[in-house]
Amino acid sequence: GNSVTQMEGPVTLSEEAFLTINCTYTATGYPSLFWYVQYPGEGLQLLLKATKADDKGSNKGFEATYRKETTSFHLEKGSVQVSDSAVYFCALTGNQFYFGTGTSLTVIP
Amino acid sequence: DTAVSQTPKYLVTQMGNDKSIKCEQNLGHDTMYWYKQDSKKFLKIMFSYNNKELIINETVPNRFSPKSPDKAHLNLHINSLELGDSAVYFCASSQGGLAKLYEQYFGPGTRLTVT
Repeated sequence: GNSVTQMEGPVTLSEEAFLTINCTYTATGYPSLFWYVQYPGEGLQLLLKATKADDKGSNKGFEATYRKETTSFHLEKGSVQVSDSAVYFCALTGNQFYFGTGTSLTVIP
Repeated sequence: DTAVSQTPKYLVTQMGNDKSIKCEQNLGHDTMYWYKQDSKKFLKIMFSYNNKELIINETVPNRFSPKSPDKAHLNLHINSLELGDSAVYFCASSQGGLAKLYEQYFGPGTRLTVT
């Protein structure tokens, strides 16, 4: 069946540090892949997406590349800010949505 | 111009009571969902409706009953509330149906506290 595995948190980084949050998936067919972000006290917001192999999704300085050969969709940002502190969810969709367990990120000044 | 709205935002109630949470989307989407998020932020899908028809019904106590009066609304009624029902409940919507689903749009959540 389909599933998503995310690196466990929490992750704590200093401002301007490089961020990687790992995400791997198991899926049949050709799923679309997503990263969602949840700021404190809010609902989930779509951060970026990729719909086919080798696509790169990007938004607000975040990037992730759909790697079919390694079944991965790792989230990266070159220089994090305090305002990036949130919980990040990797997800995939085929005939249903599958979310990862979420990774909490705290960025300290 | 809120895309997915939920009411109420906070709900505090006692064990044994019955409560409802309402959800509305103005995006013209075909599919709506209810999720439960626990204190560790784990998201669990509860129900999914496509064009008012139930398409996903995960293992959820039958005290939980969704109702979709039309494509833009999906309400959640909970009977005989228990302490373990305390969580944040999110409504979401997306375009598409079973064959292909697009990105989901989430409401702001309803924090339910059962005392």
